[in-house]
Amino acid sequence: GQNIDQPTEMTATEGAIVQINCTYQTSGFNGLFWYQQHAGEAPTFLSYNVLDGLEEKGRFSSFLSRSKGYSYLLLKELQMKDSASYLCAVRAHNQGGKLIFGQGTELSVKP
Amino acid sequence: EAGVVQSPRYKIIEKKQPVAFWCNPISGHNTLYWYLQNLGQGPELLIRYENEEAVDDSQLPKDRFSAERLKGVDSTLKIQPAELGDSAVYLCASSPRHGTGKIEEDTQYFGPGTRLTVL
Repeated sequence: GQNIDQPTEMTATEGAIVQINCTYQTSGFNGLFWYQQHAGEAPTFLSYNVLDGLEEKGRFSSFLSRSKGYSYLLLKELQMKDSASYLCAVRAHNQGGKLIFGQGTELSVKP
Repeated sequence: EAGVVQSPRYKIIEKKQPVAFWCNPISGHNTLYWYLQNLGQGPELLIRYENEEAVDDSQLPKDRFSAERLKGVDSTLKIQPAELGDSAVYLCASSPRHGTGKIEEDTQYFGPGTRLTVL
């Protein structure tokens, strides 16, 4: 089976930097995705990592270490609109390539 | 370009009643997914279609849930009869392909979902 862990909730201040961690246990790892989901809205794609290292995309960056089963999403220069749930999802060969999602991390950005 | 469209956005029914959800994927996307999302949880896959073929329905409770994707475009998910525990958000997603390893083909795009409340 697969197990994905991420913190349930986090709070940060506007303008600051926050790191949301995700750990996973899976066999046949084939990529890790981060999605952002505002309350009552659709999850939207943020980033994808399949090789070790850092992927940077504007204010958002995502890191992957396959040997440690670990990823993080880094959000810089936080804005109030970044308040949302952040979902980590792992894809595995032995699951038909489907995405297995974590429970999500609810981020609250305070002024 | 239009995103994934779902309707209705909200549905309230009494238990034991039937209910149906509709999804129109992004034009040209071969793969369509139905997910269930409970409050405070991540989405869980119910069924995946490649064109009109259901290729992964292992998580679909087949005693009460059914789905179809006629002509390989729009899809409908049905529950009959609905139970109290079915209250959740039902998300539809689509991608150009599935499992190719190429981000431009594998990325799933989600619709806004249908929030179902069973009383």
